[in-house]
Amino acid sequence: AQKITQTQPGMFVQEKEAVTLDCTYDTSDQSYGLFWYKQPSSGEMIFLIYQGSYDEQNATEGRYSLNFQKARKSANLVISASQLGDSAMYFCAMTPNAGNMLTFGGGTRLMVKP
Amino acid sequence: GAGVSQSPSNKVTEKGKDVELRCDPISGHTALYWYRQSLGQGLEFLIYFQGNSAPDKSGLPSDRFSAERTGGSVSTLTIQRTQQEDSAVYLCASSLDHSGGTYEQYFGPGTRLTVT
Repeated sequence: AQKITQTQPGMFVQEKEAVTLDCTYDTSDQSYGLFWYKQPSSGEMIFLIYQGSYDEQNATEGRYSLNFQKARKSANLVISASQLGDSAMYFCAMTPNAGNMLTFGGGTRLMVKP
Repeated sequence: GAGVSQSPSNKVTEKGKDVELRCDPISGHTALYWYRQSLGQGLEFLIYFQGNSAPDKSGLPSDRFSAERTGGSVSTLTIQRTQQEDSAVYLCASSLDHSGGTYEQYFGPGTRLTVT
C-alpha cells in the first residue's frame, strides 16, 4: 500500500518570495511516479509537475521545482517568486509501479499575502 | 483542445435514489479514472479503465457503486440507493496509455453530489 503525508495543513507566504511545500511518501514499490496538483477555489485539479522514481534530476516546470530526495522518501514542491494566483490547495500524489491510479496526500492550503 | 468534461456539475438527490454521473475524457486518452473528494476522506481513487482491459475496481467503497465505459470513451459512474455519506465531489480524469511510461492525469471540473 502507498501513503502520502503532507504535514502542513496551511501556509502563508509573502508575494514574490519562494515557498516549499512538504511531501513524504511510503511505498514498497521500486518504480513509482510522484505528482503535484493545484486546486484553486474553483475546484479544478491542475497538474503542475511530475517526478519519476528513477529520474536522477529534479523536475522543473517554470516556477515549480520538485526537490526529490529518494533516500528520505520526500518530494517537496518549491514555488519560486510566489504570485497571488498561487493561493490554492496543493496536493502531492503518487502512482504505483503497476496501474496509474493516484494516491493523494491530505493537501496544503497555500495563501499568498500581497 | 477540449478538456475532460463532466455532467451534471451539481446533483441533489434524495436518500435511496439512484444517480448517474457522466465523464467525457480528452480525445485520444485511453485511460480514465474516477475519484471522490470529500471533507472527511480527502481524495480517494474509485475505479480505473485502461483501454479494453477489465477495469480496476479496487477503490469502489461498496457494491452500490459501479461504472462502465462505452466504446473506450465516455464513462458513467452509477451510485444505487444513495446514502448521505455518498455526498462528495466526484472527479473524473483521463491520461494517455500508461504502459511503458507514466503520464499525468487531467481532471474534469467534477460533479458535486448532495444526498439529502
